[in-house]
Amino acid sequence: GAGVSQSPSNKVTEKGKDVELRCDPISGHTALYWYRQSLGQGLEFLIYFQGNSAPDKSGLPSDRFSAERTGGSVSTLTIQRTQQEDSAVYLCASSFFSGQGDEKLFFGSGTQLSVL
Amino acid sequence: AQTVTQSQPEMSVQEAETVTLSCTYDTSENNYYLFWYKQPPSRQMILVIRQEAYKQQNATENRFSVNFQKAAKSFSLKISDSQLGDTAMYFCAFMRGSNYKLTFGKGTLLTVNP
Repeated sequence: GAGVSQSPSNKVTEKGKDVELRCDPISGHTALYWYRQSLGQGLEFLIYFQGNSAPDKSGLPSDRFSAERTGGSVSTLTIQRTQQEDSAVYLCASSFFSGQGDEKLFFGSGTQLSVL
Repeated sequence: AQTVTQSQPEMSVQEAETVTLSCTYDTSENNYYLFWYKQPPSRQMILVIRQEAYKQQNATENRFSVNFQKAAKSFSLKISDSQLGDTAMYFCAFMRGSNYKLTFGKGTLLTVNP
């Protein structure tokens, strides 16, 4: 696609419910990243995919958070038993991973998650 | 661990004037990259400019330029001829060489006034 697409744009859920956030990266980009943007913590790295593998999940805040990527393309971030502190903007980015440390990340517009 | 500090939570500038946003960082790495991202109300993070630490020449992209002072670990963004569309949050970010994680500052909200 022309850019990184995320859906839904906004999601309101009740505490304790599960949510799925979707990211469709730029076609041909092998690397995919999830970041979380919250008022208190700023922008935080969550997880990184290279192809369908996630060599770095170090930023996932708890075991309620999981993510997968299929076909080297679309990724889904799942939050189980949502808590109010999960309220944030979840940003997805993709890049053509060069391994040279000069990655240019292209971001989507994020999903604003509100947990009531 | 790397840290990125943006000491100006908010700034404003008149249309057509020049403004400079500050950023300092702390790292023991020698190979790294620095970025400025813009986040308008649409929420999409847009790459404004990138600087390789091994390059002494300051990066420029049209009206945007940086003042990269490696020894001082300073990386400021200058916006010339400010336009109303420049109104946004601006984030300074750091990436280690051969890595992929971005470490962001807290951001500076820039308002361009007509």
